[in-house]
Amino acid sequence: AQRVTQPEKLLSVFKGAPVELKCNYSYSGSPELFWYVQYSRQRLQLLLRHISRESIKGFTADLNKGETSFHLKKPFAQEEDSAMYYCALRGQGAQKLVFGQGTRLTINP
Amino acid sequence: NAGVTQTPKFQVLKTGQSMTLQCAQDMNHNSMYWYRQDPGMGLRLIYYSASEGTTDKGEVPNGYNVSRLNKREFSLRLESAAPSQTSVYFCASSEAGRQGNSPLHFGNGTRLTVT
Repeated sequence: AQRVTQPEKLLSVFKGAPVELKCNYSYSGSPELFWYVQYSRQRLQLLLRHISRESIKGFTADLNKGETSFHLKKPFAQEEDSAMYYCALRGQGAQKLVFGQGTRLTINP
Repeated sequence: NAGVTQTPKFQVLKTGQSMTLQCAQDMNHNSMYWYRQDPGMGLRLIYYSASEGTTDKGEVPNGYNVSRLNKREFSLRLESAAPSQTSVYFCASSEAGRQGNSPLHFGNGTRLTVT
């Protein structure tokens, strides 16, 4: 079974502080992992995917197969980072994407 | 290029009423999905369609039906609405998953309240 767990429903940090949103997954094969973000009054959109090993808006995420984690990190939070963040997993050869419960990130000035 | 378009944006139903949520995409994507978003539950897959002419159940299909009318359109029907179906519904599309790492493109959502 595929499962994604985001242990923090709410996360609040001050502007300029480091941010880490946790994501753990359960899957026996090689997963495809994604982070999606939903800013206020905007549609859900892709932030980054593990295969690309990219940095988007200063965020990075590394797949740790040993710990089955895909935590999202940013060294210096900005107020515009306030949003709802979802971690998602797609199994090998699968069509559907399984989402975590989401973490609402608030950046305080 | 509108991407994924959902209608309506808001809907209030009484228990037992029926309605259809419409979704259309103009990106020539093969796969389409319906999710519901509830506080503390994240996004849960209701139904999906890997390609035109096929549909499959997701995590929470009970109380819903879908139709993949053509490649562009994928509708979600509530035959007899219940208060437990109060939620925000998102339609999404993507290129075929087997092509690897294809992301989902989401619509703006439909906020449904069942009283």
